[in-house]
Amino acid sequence: DIQMTQSPSSLSASVGDRVTITCRASQGIRNDLSWYQQKLGKAPKRLIYAASSLQSGVPSRFSGSGSGTEFTLTISSLQPEDFATYYCLQQNLYPLTFGQGTRLEI
Amino acid sequence: QVQLVESGGGVIQPGRSLRLSCAASGFSFSDYAMHWVRQAPGKGLEWVAVLSYDGGTKYHADSVKGRFTISRDNSRATLFLQMNGLTPEDTALYFCARDVAANHLDYWGQGTLVTVSS
Repeated sequence: DIQMTQSPSSLSASVGDRVTITCRASQGIRNDLSWYQQKLGKAPKRLIYAASSLQSGVPSRFSGSGSGTEFTLTISSLQPEDFATYYCLQQNLYPLTFGQGTRLEI
Repeated sequence: QVQLVESGGGVIQPGRSLRLSCAASGFSFSDYAMHWVRQAPGKGLEWVAVLSYDGGTKYHADSVKGRFTISRDNSRATLFLQMNGLTPEDTALYFCARDVAANHLDYWGQGTLVTVSS
């Protein structure tokens, strides 16, 4: 199975901050990676697909980069509604595997 | 608009069976592969299973293989997850999700909670 190592597991930040979350894959997955945002008790919401493509309707302050084994999600200027948990998902091989999640808090 | 509504969850004793449903609307269900993903209380997301658009190809996570079976009824635009031999480790919120292409999960339902407890 492909292991996805996500870091940090939690992050304290303030409105206006720039934050970066990283996922590392245990083997190369090309650009077969998505990023999701999840708020408490809600379904995950896709932010980024194919490593760097912005989902329609998602604010441009979210961006993704990377290929192969290392990927990043960047939020350029945190807004109050961005405080949530973020997950990466590799879609290259079954079983699909998620990172452990990053809890972004004030 | 795309809607996915899960149902069938509840409290069930270990060893028993349960079938979850996911009713789809707002898109041509029979054109899309579909997935189940679960989330144990306070934990991260775990992929469970995928089924191709026509039901011909399926994969299950090792943690559920031999106990859970994904299936679909395209005439009713509904996805199912048959869960047998449930254990407390299966306690989770179960989501269905649409696969827009090549395992890209775009729309998700709100989930149905399964609690396995004696």
